[in-house]
Amino acid sequence: EVEMTQSPATVSVSPGERATLSCRASQRVNSNLAWYQQKPGQAPRLLIYGASTRATGIPARFSGSGSGTEFTLTISSLQSEDFAVYYCQQYNNWPETFGQGTKLEIK
Amino acid sequence: QVQLVQSGAEMKKPGASVKLSCKASGYSFTDYDIHWVRQAPGQRLEWMGWINAGNGDTKYSQKFQGRVTFSRDTSANTAYMELSSLRFEDTALYFCARDDSTGWSHWGRGTLVAVSS
Repeated sequence: EVEMTQSPATVSVSPGERATLSCRASQRVNSNLAWYQQKPGQAPRLLIYGASTRATGIPARFSGSGSGTEFTLTISSLQSEDFAVYYCQQYNNWPETFGQGTKLEIK
Repeated sequence: QVQLVQSGAEMKKPGASVKLSCKASGYSFTDYDIHWVRQAPGQRLEWMGWINAGNGDTKYSQKFQGRVTFSRDTSANTAYMELSSLRFEDTALYFCARDDSTGWSHWGRGTLVAVSS
C-alpha cells in the first residue's frame, strides 16, 4: 500500500498570503495525484488532478506541482473560503490512498 | 446537473450489517465507476473500493475484503454498499463518489453510520 504523508499537519496563514502544502508518497505514483478540499460536514471537493491540472471551476489561485513522490499544492492570495482541510490522494496503485490531511487555518 | 444522493443515517449494533445507497442522476449511470470512501471522526479519508456501474465489476480494498459488498441497480441508477459484521470502529461517514478518470469531481453528501451497543 502506498502511504501518503502530508506536511505540515496544520498551517496558519493570513488572508491574502500564500500557503504551500506538501504531500509525499512512499513510492512513485507518477502524476496520478489529486488534491481535495474538505470543509466540516461536507464532502471533499476536487481541486487538482494529474498533479497539476485544475478541476472544472477551481480558481487559478490553486496550483499543483510535482511528480513521482513529492507534490505541492500552492494557494496564492488566500481567501476566507479557502480555510479548510486539504487531502492528497494517489490513484496510481490500489488501494487508492489519501494523506492524513493538512488543516489550513486563519492566522 | 450531476447528483449523488445518499441514504440516511444508520445506527447499528456490533455484529449487524448495514446497506447504504447512492442514487445517481444527471448523467448516464452505467458510464462511470462509483467509489466508496469512509471517514471516521477526525480521521483521514479511507478508500473502500469501487464498482463499475456498467458491468458490475468490483474491486475491494484488502482491508474490507470479505466484509463489504458493492452492488448496483441500473434500472434505479443506484449503487449500494453493504458492510457486515459491524464493529465500533466502523462508525464513520460513508461517501460515494463518481470516478471521472480525471479525479472524483462528484460526491454524495455522505451517510453517517454509528455502531453502538
